[in-house]
Amino acid sequence: AQKITQTQPGMFVQEKEAVTLDCTYDTSDPSYGLFWYKQPSSGEMIFLIYQGSYDQQNATEGRYSLNFQKARKSANLVISASQLGDSAMYFCAMRESSNDYKLSFGAGTTVTVRA
Amino acid sequence: DTGVSQDPRHKITKRGQNVTFRCDPISEHNRLYWYRQTLGQGPEFLTYFQNEAQLEKSRLLSDRFSAERPKGSFSTLEIQRTEQGDSAMYLCASSSRYYTQYFGPGTRLTVL
Repeated sequence: AQKITQTQPGMFVQEKEAVTLDCTYDTSDPSYGLFWYKQPSSGEMIFLIYQGSYDQQNATEGRYSLNFQKARKSANLVISASQLGDSAMYFCAMRESSNDYKLSFGAGTTVTVRA
Repeated sequence: DTGVSQDPRHKITKRGQNVTFRCDPISEHNRLYWYRQTLGQGPEFLTYFQNEAQLEKSRLLSDRFSAERPKGSFSTLEIQRTEQGDSAMYLCASSSRYYTQYFGPGTRLTVL
C-alpha cells in the first residue's frame, strides 16, 4: 500500500498568492515524522519543513507552514506569498519509527508560479 | 558548513559497463543513505549506512549494485553490467540519528 499519497500532479499559482499542496499518509506506527522537500529542475532535494507526530502545534518555517491533521492523516504544505523561484517539484515524505532509517516519498506535485 | 556533495553530476554509459558514484556527506553526520529516483517519481530507498556499517538494503538493490562506506566517511555506489533500466537519478543523503536527511545534488545516470 502507498504510504504517502499526493493527489495533485501539477498546480499553477499566481505570484504573491498562497498555494496548498495535499499530502495524506498511511502508517500504524504511533511515532513518525513528516517532511516536505522541494526539488527544482537542477535535481537537488531541498528540505523545507518537518512535523513530528507528537508535535502539538503545526510547524512553520518562513513562508512554509504545515497543516497537520492527525486524525485525517494529512500533512498539507502551505506556501504563502508565492515567488517565481518557488516553481519546482514538491515531495511529501514520512519516516516511521519502525523504519527510522528511510524516508517514504510520495509521487510529488509540480508547482508553477505565474508572474 | 558544506552540504552533501556527489560526483559525478552526470554519467552517460553504454549498457554492460560498470559505473561508480561517490557521495561525501556532511562531516558530522554518521548516517548516510542512497536513493534512486526515476522520472516522474519520488525517490526510493536503496541502502543505509551508520558509520561504516551497511545496516539496511532494499530489495531494489540487485546483486549488480554494491555500496561501501570505508572509514565511515564518503560512500561509493557501484553498478556492474549496467542495464537501460538503471537509468535514473541517484541521490545521496546524510543525517545525524533521528534528524532530517539532507540530500546532495544527485548523479544522473543515462545508460545507452
